[in-house]
Amino acid sequence: QKEVEQNSGPLSVPEGAIASLNCTYSDRGSQSFFWYRQYSGKSPELIMSIYSNGDKEDGRFTAQLNKASQYVSLLIRDSQPSDSATYLCAVNPGAGSYQLTFGKGTKLSVIP
Amino acid sequence: NAGVMQNPRHLVRRRGQEARLRCSPMKGHSHVYWYRQLPEEGLKFMVYLQKENIIDESGMPKERFSAEFPKEGPSILRIQQVVRGDSAAYFCASSRDTEAFFGQGTRLTVV
Repeated sequence: QKEVEQNSGPLSVPEGAIASLNCTYSDRGSQSFFWYRQYSGKSPELIMSIYSNGDKEDGRFTAQLNKASQYVSLLIRDSQPSDSATYLCAVNPGAGSYQLTFGKGTKLSVIP
Repeated sequence: NAGVMQNPRHLVRRRGQEARLRCSPMKGHSHVYWYRQLPEEGLKFMVYLQKENIIDESGMPKERFSAEFPKEGPSILRIQQVVRGDSAAYFCASSRDTEAFFGQGTRLTVV
C-alpha cells in the first residue's frame, strides 16, 4: 500500500514568518513530487513540482526533496493571510504510471 | 487555453436516481483521473483513464460506479442508484505526463 503522510495541522504561523510543511512517502521508487494548494470549497491548485534531490525555488515557495529519507517539504517565506489553505502533498510512483497518491493535507493558518 | 472543465458544478439527486458527471480535459492531455473528496477529508483516487481505456480503477466501488473516456467527447463518471453516502465533491484532473491539473469539481448532494 503506497502511502503519503502529512501532519493534518492546523499549522498556525504569524504573517511574515516562514511556514514549513512536511510530507513523507512509503514508496522508495517514487519519481515525481507535487504540492497542491486547496482553499476551502475550491479545487486543488498545483503550486510546485520537484523531481530531483535538493531545493527548488519559485517566488516565495521552496520545495525540498530528500529521496534517501523519503521526505519532501514546502517552505513558504513571508507568509500572507492569503496563504491560509490546505496544502496537499502528492507523489507519483514512476515506472510508467501517471497517477498520483495524495496525502490528507496540512491546514495552514496565517495569522495577521 | 481552457483548463479542465467539469459540469455540472452542483448536482442534486434523490436516492435511487442516477448521477452523471462530465469532465473535459485540458487540450493536449490524454490522461484523466477522477477523485472523490468528503468534507474535511483528503482526495481519494477513484479511476485513471486514457482514451477508450480504463488504466486503473482500483479506487472505484465495485457496484453502482462506472467511468468512461470515449474517443470523442468528455469523460463520464456515472453513479447509479445514488445513496446519501455518495454525497461528496468529485474532482477530475488531467495530465499530459505527471503534472495533473484539476477541474472545479462537481458537488453532488443526495437527498
